[in-house]
Amino acid sequence: GENVEQHPSTLSVQEGDSAVIKCTYSDSASNYFPWYKQELGKGPQLIIDIRSNVGEKKDQRIAVTLNKTAKHFSLHITETQPEDSAVYFCAASRTGRRALTFGSGTRLQVQP
Amino acid sequence: GAGVSQSPSNKVTEKGKDVELRCDPISGHTALYWYRQSLGQGLEFLIYFQGNSAPDKSGLPSDRFSAERTGGSVSTLTIQRTQQEDSAVYLCASSLMGSGGKETQYFGPGTRLLVL
Repeated sequence: GENVEQHPSTLSVQEGDSAVIKCTYSDSASNYFPWYKQELGKGPQLIIDIRSNVGEKKDQRIAVTLNKTAKHFSLHITETQPEDSAVYFCAASRTGRRALTFGSGTRLQVQP
Repeated sequence: GAGVSQSPSNKVTEKGKDVELRCDPISGHTALYWYRQSLGQGLEFLIYFQGNSAPDKSGLPSDRFSAERTGGSVSTLTIQRTQQEDSAVYLCASSLMGSGGKETQYFGPGTRLLVL
């Protein structure tokens, strides 16, 4: 089955700096890659996703890149703010299997 | 509109007791998912419903775990004879029916289960 590895497990940045979180996946058939943000005591919330037919997607301060050949994808957050502090999860799925396979999470701390 | 809701928000039980966790998906969402999140870990898939049927139960860890969905809406996850290793946050998500594997899954706040 699919396996998703996520790095780093913790990341501390200064407010205004950029943060990058990386994930690799094992199933070459995976074609959907969402990123979720989870705040303490809440369920995960989708922040951005990418399909396998594109290499990059941006939404304001957030961007995701996908390298299908290398089977890795990354989340980039620019101009970080304290409210970006949370746990971020990457995930992958493929057509025909609706379950998402999640990475182990990255705890991002943005220092004011 | 209302998001995915789950109840109870917290549940403390004794080892060996049965528990029922409830999920109310977003109105109109035909797909419903259960995941489990152990402390400090990622989310682990348990079961997926399309309507009232469960075409993918591959993540249920043992026969003590079961789930049902009625009326294409509310779902209940039941854990029988709970064990301490069942302690986790149980998350429910729902999505619209569409091309498989690419619909956004919207998550509820979870039920925090503690087995003493």
